[in-house]
Amino acid sequence: EPEVTQTPSHQVTQMGQEVILRCVPISNHLYFYWYRQILGQKVEFLVSFYNNEISEKSEIFDDQFSVERPDGSNFTLKIRSTKLEDSAMYFCASSRVNEQFFGPGTRLTVL
Amino acid sequence: KQEVTQIPAALSVPEGENLVLNCSFTDSAIYNLQWFRQDPGKGLTSLLLIQSSQREQTSGRLNASLDKSSGRSTLYIAASQPGDSATYLCASGGDDKIIFGKGTRLHILP
Repeated sequence: EPEVTQTPSHQVTQMGQEVILRCVPISNHLYFYWYRQILGQKVEFLVSFYNNEISEKSEIFDDQFSVERPDGSNFTLKIRSTKLEDSAMYFCASSRVNEQFFGPGTRLTVL
Repeated sequence: KQEVTQIPAALSVPEGENLVLNCSFTDSAIYNLQWFRQDPGKGLTSLLLIQSSQREQTSGRLNASLDKSSGRSTLYIAASQPGDSATYLCASGGDDKIIFGKGTRLHILP
C-alpha cells in the first residue's frame, strides 16, 4: 500500500542553523501539506501546496519557513534560521481528493 | 474559524469495558471528520474517516459517528483492551487543511 515517507526521522540542529525536512508524498497525489506538533500540544496546520504554489498558510508559517517541490517526487520544508521554539514533530501529508495521508513525522530538536 | 474540542482530556477504564470518546466542532461546513490514534512520541495512525455525507463508519471494534447539524462526532470502542491505550485525536477536514483537537488520552487498566 502506498505511503508517505519522511526523512530524517530525527534531526538535531543548533539554533540559527537552516534545516530542510524531506517528504515523499504518495505518487498520484496532488495536494501536499505540512503540520507540526510541539510536545504535549495539538497538531497544527502549517501550509498547503497545490500546483506548485502555496494555497494556504497559517500564522505560524512566517518568512522563516518555505516549501518546495524540487522534482516530481519530493516535497520539502525549509526553516531558514531555527529557533528553540521550532522544536517539534513535523508531519507531512498528501491527498488526491479530500482524505489526507500522513507520514511518520520528523522530530526536530533545536539546541 | 473552525475549533475542535475533545472531552474528556483523559480517561481510564477497566479492560473489557465499552467506551465513548467525544468530539465537537464549531463549523459544520466540513468535508470529513477523521479519528486518529497517536502513541507517545509517535506518528498519526488513521482509524476512521467519515465523509460529510455519511453518518458513521465502522472498523472492527471501532465505530465513529458524525452529526454535522449538532457539530458532534463520537468514537465508540467496544470491549477495550490494554493495547487500546493511546491518545485519540479528532480532526475536521476542510477545504484546505485539517483542524485537530487536543485529543483524549485513554488508559485501559488491565
